[in-house]
Amino acid sequence: SQQGEEDPQALSIQEGENATMNCSYKTSINNLQWYRQNSGRGLVHLILIRSNEREKHSGRLRVTLDTSKKSSSLLITASRAADTASYFCAPARGAGKSTFGDGTTLTVKP
Amino acid sequence: EPEVTQTPSHQVTQMGQEVILRCVPISNHLYFYWYRQILGQKVEFLVSFYNNEISEKSEIFDDQFSVERPDGSNFTLKIRSTKLEDSAMYFCASSGLNDQPQHFGDGTRLSIL
Repeated sequence: SQQGEEDPQALSIQEGENATMNCSYKTSINNLQWYRQNSGRGLVHLILIRSNEREKHSGRLRVTLDTSKKSSSLLITASRAADTASYFCAPARGAGKSTFGDGTTLTVKP
Repeated sequence: EPEVTQTPSHQVTQMGQEVILRCVPISNHLYFYWYRQILGQKVEFLVSFYNNEISEKSEIFDDQFSVERPDGSNFTLKIRSTKLEDSAMYFCASSGLNDQPQHFGDGTRLSIL
């Protein structure tokens, strides 16, 4: 299965702190995507990292990918209350379905 | 920034009725998807569509479901005879070339009574 498993299930931090979420998967991939979902809303694409990349940055987001360990991490620096959401990873072999796990629920307290 | 739009935002339907959920993908995208999320559960893949045909479907996507791209801009999901367990958020997504991120709409909340 290409499904990613996010860890931890829930994370609660204070505003200004960094948040790190991890993703593990089982099959070979071409890319891995991270999404955010606010309660009752659709998924928002955050960042895509390809299998030949090890690290990627976008604003306050930093994603790493270790294909030898079949794992990825998402770091949100200087978190804000607005970052409160569920975060999902979606490993993929190309164009095709994304398979989502249960996600990490991040709560950032003001 | 272009976005995927879905209508209606909330649909209430009697059990056994047909329902059509509508999506307008991003205009130059080639791949289209439907997902659903039952309340409190994970987002589940239903079907992907490329080049005017279904490219992949899950076991959830049985004979009561169908998809169509009737006019080159809309992408619809039809549920022929709805059941109570079809109550969920239904998300449409689209992507451009292979290996591009999927962009999701805000979903249609389907409530079956």
